[in-house]
Amino acid sequence: DIQMTQSPSSLSASVGDRVTIPCQASQDIKNSLNWYQQKPGNAPKLLIYETSNLEVGVPSRFSGGGSGTDFTLTISSLQSEDIATYYCQQYRNLPLNFGGGTKVEIK
Amino acid sequence: EVELVESGGGLVQPGGSLRLSCAAAGFTFSSYSMNWVRQTPGKGLEWIAYISSGGGSIHYADPVKGRFTGARDNAKNSLYLQMNSLRDEDTAVYYCARDKGVAASGIYDYWGQGTLVTVSS
Repeated sequence: DIQMTQSPSSLSASVGDRVTIPCQASQDIKNSLNWYQQKPGNAPKLLIYETSNLEVGVPSRFSGGGSGTDFTLTISSLQSEDIATYYCQQYRNLPLNFGGGTKVEIK
Repeated sequence: EVELVESGGGLVQPGGSLRLSCAAAGFTFSSYSMNWVRQTPGKGLEWIAYISSGGGSIHYADPVKGRFTGARDNAKNSLYLQMNSLRDEDTAVYYCARDKGVAASGIYDYWGQGTLVTVSS
């Protein structure tokens, strides 16, 4: 199985900061990587698919990058509504595993 | 507007059974692969089953293989998960999620609100 690692599990930043969230795969997954945002009490929401493609309706301050085993989700200017937990997910091989999540808080 | 609504969760004793349903609306259900994903505080998000658009291809995660059965009724725009031999560790919120695009993609573009399953004596 491909393991997905997200560290740190939480981070704190100020409104307007550039925030980068890393995700590492245990083996090469090419660009088969998605990012989801989950707010408390809600289901996950697709933000970015295939490493860098922005889902329709997602603000352009979100972007994704990387390839192989190392990936990042970047929020160019953190807004208060971005407070959430962010999960990466690989879809190279079954089982389609998720990372443990990174919780973003306002400093 | 795409809508997925899960139901059927509840409290069940270890060893018991439960059947979850997911009612779909706002899209051509028969054209899309569907999935079940669960979430626990301890293990986070966990994919557990994939059901192809026609229902002929189904895959399961190892922790549920042999105990859970996925199915769909395209005439009723509904997805199902039959859960047998339930264990404490199956306690979770269960989501149905749609595959993006008409081919199996592993990209989940719509999710239901989830239904809570609690396995406890």
